[in-house]
Amino acid sequence: GENVEQHPSTLSVQEGDSAVIKCTYSDSASNYFPWYKQELGKGPQLIIDIRSNVGEKKDQRIAVTLNKTAKHFSLHITETQPEDSAVYFCAADSNSGYALNFGKGTSLLVTP
Amino acid sequence: SAVISQKPSRDICQRGTSLTIQCQVDSQVTMMFWYRQQPGQSLTLIATANQGSEATYESGFVIDKFPISRPNLTFSTLTVSNMSPEDSSIYLCSVRKGGTVEAFFGQGTRLTVV
Repeated sequence: GENVEQHPSTLSVQEGDSAVIKCTYSDSASNYFPWYKQELGKGPQLIIDIRSNVGEKKDQRIAVTLNKTAKHFSLHITETQPEDSAVYFCAADSNSGYALNFGKGTSLLVTP
Repeated sequence: SAVISQKPSRDICQRGTSLTIQCQVDSQVTMMFWYRQQPGQSLTLIATANQGSEATYESGFVIDKFPISRPNLTFSTLTVSNMSPEDSSIYLCSVRKGGTVEAFFGQGTRLTVV
């Protein structure tokens, strides 16, 4: 089955700096790669996603890049703010195309 | 998107008992899933809730332990049976609408078994 690796597990940045989280996946048939933000006591919230037919997607301060050849994708957050502090999960769609396989998460801390 | 309501939001249960978690969506959805998130860990798929038929379970999860119902396109329940402290986790309902790939999550049910 699909295996999603995520790094780093923790990341601390100063407010205003950029943060980058990287993921790799194993199944070359995967076509959909979402990113979720989970704040304490809440469910995961979809913040951005990318499909295999594009290499980059941007939404204000967040962007995602995808390299299908190398089977890796990354989340970039620019001009970080304290409210960006949360756990971020990458995911990839599974063989069935229905459920998602998640990385282990990255705990991001943005210090003022 | 979809508005997903899970009940209860949290519970503390005695070992050996069972808890049923409800997931209600504000619109009809094609796919409903149940995930488990152990403390400080990632999300693991328990099963896909199929409308009108038995759920499809992932390796390591069985129907006797996690019976699932899905009577219609907006509602599903997950029961955690004969609970032990190892079942202490957050249980999350997730949905996907027909023709789309985006998956949305409820706020989760935080279960503590004592």
